[in-house]
Amino acid sequence: GAVVSQHPSWVICKSGTSVKIECRSLDFQATTMFWYRQFPKQSLMLMATSNEGSKATYEQGVEKDKFLINHASLTLSTLTVTSAHPEDSSFYICSADPAGQPSYEQFFGPGTRLTVL
Amino acid sequence: GEDVEQSLFLSVREGDSSVINCTYTDSSSTYLYWYKQEPGAGLQLLTYIFSNMDMKQDQRLTVLLNKKDKHLSLRIADTQTGDSAIYFCAESAQSGNTPLVFGKGTRLSVIA
Repeated sequence: GAVVSQHPSWVICKSGTSVKIECRSLDFQATTMFWYRQFPKQSLMLMATSNEGSKATYEQGVEKDKFLINHASLTLSTLTVTSAHPEDSSFYICSADPAGQPSYEQFFGPGTRLTVL
Repeated sequence: GEDVEQSLFLSVREGDSSVINCTYTDSSSTYLYWYKQEPGAGLQLLTYIFSNMDMKQDQRLTVLLNKKDKHLSLRIADTQTGDSAIYFCAESAQSGNTPLVFGKGTRLSVIA
């Protein structure tokens, strides 16, 4: 089946630094990828929709200047958390939608746990 | 906007059946999903159902959909300790290029 990877799987950083999280579709192309955020014991909340070759679409309340998304190729989207603060600590999960075909299934990455000290 | 609701906790004895319920508000939901998440891990798609179906069975899993009441359930037969996890109900309005709307998840605890 289709595989989506995320890197890193976990990261600890100091407050004020920036962290980049990669989401890759390993064996298929994805024109659209989604970034979700999950707080402890809570549901996944959509942060933004990442479209290859164009600007990401952010959900209401998500700061686009803080969460920079780049979808430079059909297999890679990156989420950069800029000037991270402890409240940005969360589990970030991406999903990818196969290009060029109707699909009932999105493929989820394993997630990246970010801890900001 | 769309909303998906689930009960937060369910506890069952090993060998019994588990039934996890979900309600949704979006009448245009086309696909409904059940995902499993184990501690510290990503999401595993368990099963899905199209909105024009009433029931789907896949080994120990049975999904029932009542479109009129916008109610979805997941039944796990012969629940095992390895089934202990958080189960998320999710819906999307169309296929492709559409994000999923998730419920808050039901934490299933299986007692040996």
